[in-house]
Amino acid sequence: DGGITQSPKYLFRKEGQNVTLSCEQNLNHDAMYWYRQDPGQGLRLIYYSQIVNDFQKGDIAEGYSVSREKKESFPLTVTSAQKNPTAFYLCASSISVSGRSEQFFGPGTRLTVL
Amino acid sequence: AQKITQTQPGMFVQEKEAVTLDCTYDTSDPSYGLFWYKQPSSGEMIFLIYQGSYDQQNATEGRYSLNFQKARKSANLVISASQLGDSAMYFCAMREGQNSNYQLIWGAGTKLIIKP
Repeated sequence: DGGITQSPKYLFRKEGQNVTLSCEQNLNHDAMYWYRQDPGQGLRLIYYSQIVNDFQKGDIAEGYSVSREKKESFPLTVTSAQKNPTAFYLCASSISVSGRSEQFFGPGTRLTVL
Repeated sequence: AQKITQTQPGMFVQEKEAVTLDCTYDTSDPSYGLFWYKQPSSGEMIFLIYQGSYDQQNATEGRYSLNFQKARKSANLVISASQLGDSAMYFCAMREGQNSNYQLIWGAGTKLIIKP
C-alpha cells in the first residue's frame, strides 16, 4: 500500500541531545514537508522540499535541520539549539507544491524532552 | 493578522444531524485554494475536500460539502448526517497562488464531538 511512514511514534530525548525523526514515502511524490503541532494549535511549517537535494525553510526552521538525498526520504533532525522541542511532528508529501495537490500525512512522531 | 480563522474551538452535535464548521480567510491573492483536513485522536491528518478560488461550484465529497462564499471570504465545511466516527479535530488551510511559496496556512482547528 502507498503511504507515508514515520518512526518512531514516540520519542524521548534528554536536553542537549540531537534527535532524528524519520519520514519515508512510497507515493512517488516530489514535495515533502515537516510540520510541528503544539496542543490546541494548528500546524506550523518547519521545512519543505520541492525536489531531491533541495529544501526551503518554513516559518519555524530555527533549531531544526533536514536533508533530501532520496526522493522517498526526508529526515528531520531536532538539534539542541531548539529551545522547546516537545511537540507532535507531522511529515507530509504531495505531488507538487502548487495547485490543488493535497498533502498526504504520516501518523506523526510525538517528541518529549525530559 | 490571522489569515485563517476558525472561530469555533469546540462543538457538540447530535448524531445524524448536519454540522457546519466555520472558516474565514484573508488574502489579496486572486488565486488561492482552500483545504479541509480531519485529525482523529490518532493524530494523522486526513484530507477531506478542496475548493479553488476560481471554481464555479461548491466542492462536494460524499457527506462533505464546502459552502464557499467568496465575497465574504468564508469556506465553511458542512458534514451531513453526522456519525460517531466524525468526532475529531477539523482544520481549514489555505494555499495562496503567488505570494507565499505555495505554503499551506493553517487555522487553529475546531474540535467536533458527536453525541450518540
